[in-house]
Amino acid sequence: DTAVSQTPKYLVTQMGNDKSIKCEQNLGHDTMYWYKQDSKKFLKIMFSYNNKELIINETVPNRFSPKSPDKAHLNLHINSLELGDSAVYFCASSQVSGGGYGYTFGSGTRLTVV
Amino acid sequence: AQSVTQLGSHVSVSEGALVLLRCNYSSSVPPYLFWYVQYPNQGLQLLLKYTSAATLVKGINGFEAEFKKSETYFHLTKHSPHMSDAAEYFCAVSDNNNNDMRFGAGTRLTVKP
Repeated sequence: DTAVSQTPKYLVTQMGNDKSIKCEQNLGHDTMYWYKQDSKKFLKIMFSYNNKELIINETVPNRFSPKSPDKAHLNLHINSLELGDSAVYFCASSQVSGGGYGYTFGSGTRLTVV
Repeated sequence: AQSVTQLGSHVSVSEGALVLLRCNYSSSVPPYLFWYVQYPNQGLQLLLKYTSAATLVKGINGFEAEFKKSETYFHLTKHSPHMSDAAEYFCAVSDNNNNDMRFGAGTRLTVKP
């Protein structure tokens, strides 16, 4: 069983469309995250949820909206997609929010906006 | 706020040589430090972590990291790497007050036969 699973793995879409990426973890972790990895491999945190509550909301366009229906799921919805949104998006989870515990990452969703 | 800087975006070594990937950190409180590996088209996998006490941390796949507070570094090493160790390596830092982990820019490791 995959610990942190994301769907879809690849997403190709046109500018202006709305799309969602889903993430589920079966580790019983309390905290989940979304990271964006750009073409130079730089990883930037976007959002963090602890037990369905938004903890971190970095400087991300409000076209990006996370939703956590329960602590095992954290989805990412993106409105009006732009070329610059093309990247790999990683979901992650951790046992306890804060330091000392490593994160478990999903395998990523490669989003290409054309 | 805490941060890490990885020195060298690309490191190339021969099989059997010593791998040294450098990471300097900045943190106003005792940090938690991590090394992750990312193989092509995969997510990040935790190699090892420093939380306190031991200055030499052993991880998976023969990797080790040395924590040195006086010089604020957490360098990753491996003796006798294999070609299968070729990947992107990320250093990361968090503290107990935050809910996010900050990553370095990554170092791509190439291992030549």
